[in-house]
Amino acid sequence: GQQLNQSPQSMFIQEGEDVSMNCTSSSIFNTWLWYKQDPGEGPVLLIALYKAGELTSNGRLTAQFGITRKDSFLNISASIPSDVGIYFCAGQGGAQKLVFGQGTRLTINP
Amino acid sequence: GAVVSQHPSRVICKSGTSVKIECRSLDFQATTMFWYRQFPKQSLMLMATSNEGSKATYEQGVEKDKFLINHASLTLSTLTVTSAHPEDSSFYICSAGDPMTSDIEQFFGPGTRLTVL
Repeated sequence: GQQLNQSPQSMFIQEGEDVSMNCTSSSIFNTWLWYKQDPGEGPVLLIALYKAGELTSNGRLTAQFGITRKDSFLNISASIPSDVGIYFCAGQGGAQKLVFGQGTRLTINP
Repeated sequence: GAVVSQHPSRVICKSGTSVKIECRSLDFQATTMFWYRQFPKQSLMLMATSNEGSKATYEQGVEKDKFLINHASLTLSTLTVTSAHPEDSSFYICSAGDPMTSDIEQFFGPGTRLTVL
């Protein structure tokens, strides 16, 4: 089946630092999405990417949809304590199905 | 924005019993809902697609007789874990899309943590 490889698996940074994580896939996806999940809760959508090569920002978050449609990255600038959580990339193919990456666990030291 | 709720948020049951989890779209109608399972420190894995008024579509490796899905109305899908065993303990999350606002975005419920003793 389709799989997404997300890296890094975990990050430990200082408050104020920038963060970068990425996902690659062996398959092409029509849409790439980035979610954040807090402990014991469902994922919340951060950014959606619809076109190959698209670069989209949402506040301090920036994400890009790779030209080949097989990869995407998410950057967080000037991290703050509330950025702590698990970030997931997801590719959406047919029938609205989502395939999730393994997640990146972000820890921030104040 | 679109809101999806789940009930219960936590459930503890004995091995061999059945557990029903509800997923509701509160302010929109959803012809399609999705059920995911998430084990600790792992990703979300799609279990099945719930279709209003028809049978659910299960992903490979998911037992349809074990995980019964009923999508009886445009705002409610239920997942019943039958004859639950400790290995079924997991975080179950549903999602739904609002076709009136987006063909793509799915809104996730808060999840249900199932513990089977």
